[in-house]
Amino acid sequence: KNEVEQSPQNLTAQEGEFITINCSYSVGISALHWLQQHPGGGIVSLFMLSSGKKKHGRLIATINIQEKHSSLHITASHPRDSAVYICAVTPPIIQGAQKLVFGQGTRLTINP
Amino acid sequence: DARVTQTPRHKVTEMGQEVTMRCQPILGHNTVFWYRQTMMQGLELLAYFRNRAPLDDSGMPKDRFSAEMPDATLATLKIQPSEPRDSAVYFCASLYRGLINYGYTFGSGTRLTVV
Repeated sequence: KNEVEQSPQNLTAQEGEFITINCSYSVGISALHWLQQHPGGGIVSLFMLSSGKKKHGRLIATINIQEKHSSLHITASHPRDSAVYICAVTPPIIQGAQKLVFGQGTRLTINP
Repeated sequence: DARVTQTPRHKVTEMGQEVTMRCQPILGHNTVFWYRQTMMQGLELLAYFRNRAPLDDSGMPKDRFSAEMPDATLATLKIQPSEPRDSAVYFCASLYRGLINYGYTFGSGTRLTVV
């Protein structure tokens, strides 16, 4: 079983829909990260969370430490949001540098 | 914007050849990571450095892979000899550590194809 599990693996929606991508993890963490990767492109860090909720534009990320679960929401989705969204966690700092442990990614396609 | 620069962007090579990938981290970022991305395995950590010293290379096949950071502006990942199963996208990332926060910046990746 992977330490970081994402669902769904693939998601197709129409422009304007509200999108939710889920991430569950089974290890202790110091932080959880949401990353975005466009087709053929590099990886961009969207959020780093250790508690609560963060918002940036139409993107909202939440984390529940007790339940070891995080969600990434996209409001008013747009075709340019089509990308792979990757959840990653970093172990507690006492265990070394903040290396990332990744989920398998969620491929999001937003149709016009 | 400061960025992590990786070269080359694409590399096609024949099996058995040596491959060298380079990464220029952001100045002041003292931790540098090498990750590999494949369709089957997703993203995996190969090795990382802090203040140029190797901290962990347990994710790297040591018989053919080597990672070095000869100075603060250059990290290298070498594969010798390369094999078709090494075909993947290799990402370098550097880590900024502030007093209360930290963040990653990824390079654009090197897409390696070994034929």
